[in-house]
Amino acid sequence: DAGVTQSPTHLIKTRGQQVTLRCSPKSGHDTVSWYQQALGQGPQFIFQYYEEEERQRGNFPDRFSGHQFPNYSSELNVNALLLGDSALYLCASSLGTSQETQYFGPGTRLLVL
Amino acid sequence: RKEVEQDPGPFNVPEGATVAFNCTYSNSASQSFFWYRQDCRKEPKLLMSVYSSGNEDGRFTAQLNRASQYISLLIRDSKLSDSATYLCVVNEGNNDMRFGAGTRLTVKP
Repeated sequence: DAGVTQSPTHLIKTRGQQVTLRCSPKSGHDTVSWYQQALGQGPQFIFQYYEEEERQRGNFPDRFSGHQFPNYSSELNVNALLLGDSALYLCASSLGTSQETQYFGPGTRLLVL
Repeated sequence: RKEVEQDPGPFNVPEGATVAFNCTYSNSASQSFFWYRQDCRKEPKLLMSVYSSGNEDGRFTAQLNRASQYISLLIRDSKLSDSATYLCVVNEGNNDMRFGAGTRLTVKP
């Protein structure tokens, strides 16, 4: 039973660039939530995708966008990268939109120079 | 004020010690509560949910005080493998999960 997988594991970008992060949910799950975890902080909710639509969004600017595919996998896109976007980006999957039963992937560590 | 606040830590304790972590939350309408564990450079994993009556899972005991908006986690007989960051998580309703910044625990031989 495959758990949540994310790619790439690490990424280095420069300010102003764009980045796409990918997530495959745990087998049997249909909902994907994305979180940003800055160093020394807890994860902060970015948004959630269910049935290929954004269902809920945290306090993040429009530079952060996403997509969910028919196979439930998801992408997180960040445009016009800022130094402050450097963080661990975590994907979590669940069956249904309740985040109380979610499983996290290993994350993608993004460094913006 | 942060929605979820935790003891800043770090906590450095010897094996076998009992250690307690505290967490306060600001939204009195919060509905459910959790403790997650996050190992260094790994993803968070659910440790336990926190119920109003308090609950225990082996060496771990979680307590909730709604009146004081306070959650605690007690670890008895600490093991080296308990070394991790412990995240307090509050569901403020409408699936709005808020994570604390975490408390780091190091258990030493």
